[in-house]
Amino acid sequence: AAGVIQSPRHLIKEKRETATLKCYPIPRHDTVYWYQQGPGQDPQFLISFYEKMQSDKGSIPDRFSAQQFSDYHSELNMSSLELGDSALYFCASRGTDPSETQYFGPGTRLLVL
Amino acid sequence: AQTVTQSQPEMSVQEAETVTLSCTYDTSESDYYLFWYKQPPSRQMILVIRQEAYKQQNATENRFSVNFQKAAKSFSLKISDSQLGDAAMYFCAYIEVGGAQKLVFGQGTRLTINP
Repeated sequence: AAGVIQSPRHLIKEKRETATLKCYPIPRHDTVYWYQQGPGQDPQFLISFYEKMQSDKGSIPDRFSAQQFSDYHSELNMSSLELGDSALYFCASRGTDPSETQYFGPGTRLLVL
Repeated sequence: AQTVTQSQPEMSVQEAETVTLSCTYDTSESDYYLFWYKQPPSRQMILVIRQEAYKQQNATENRFSVNFQKAAKSFSLKISDSQLGDAAMYFCAYIEVGGAQKLVFGQGTRLTINP
């Protein structure tokens, strides 16, 4: 079965640079979630989209922005990167029925030097 | 705000034995879902089991089962016949029905399987 695809899988950036993370949900899933997992931490919700509209916002810095496109893929744009942004970034997708489970992608490991 | 608490940072069990991971949560809602996710060294988040709050029957998936105590707001995971491949970080998580349904995670329990 098709799974959530995230790219790139690994990313190394310098401080103050910009990064773009991409997420391709499971086919026919219209809801996308972004989570950030710091070293030794539990995943923290950043932002979510339903039918290309932002549906909820968590502890996402103002330096970050995200959107969902017409093909339902989503991109997380991160600017003015800081050392503390080094983390594993997960995308998860869910189908139309709210009772459906979120399925996670493999994550993008971002390292800011 | 809803919170999820896992009071056991680390647990260990002998291979083939049974282990129970604890989770408590705090919510004023009556309708919600609870989950256990497994995160092995690869750091992939893998769904282990889920429980709907309106269901009284405890969920079971092969060797994995839960003890859901709604009044006590407790949701423990029992792993029977532990296998080396069960070694991972286990996260308990909560979703409120309605709204955007973001997952709220506990701090995690690292499970070690001793051969």
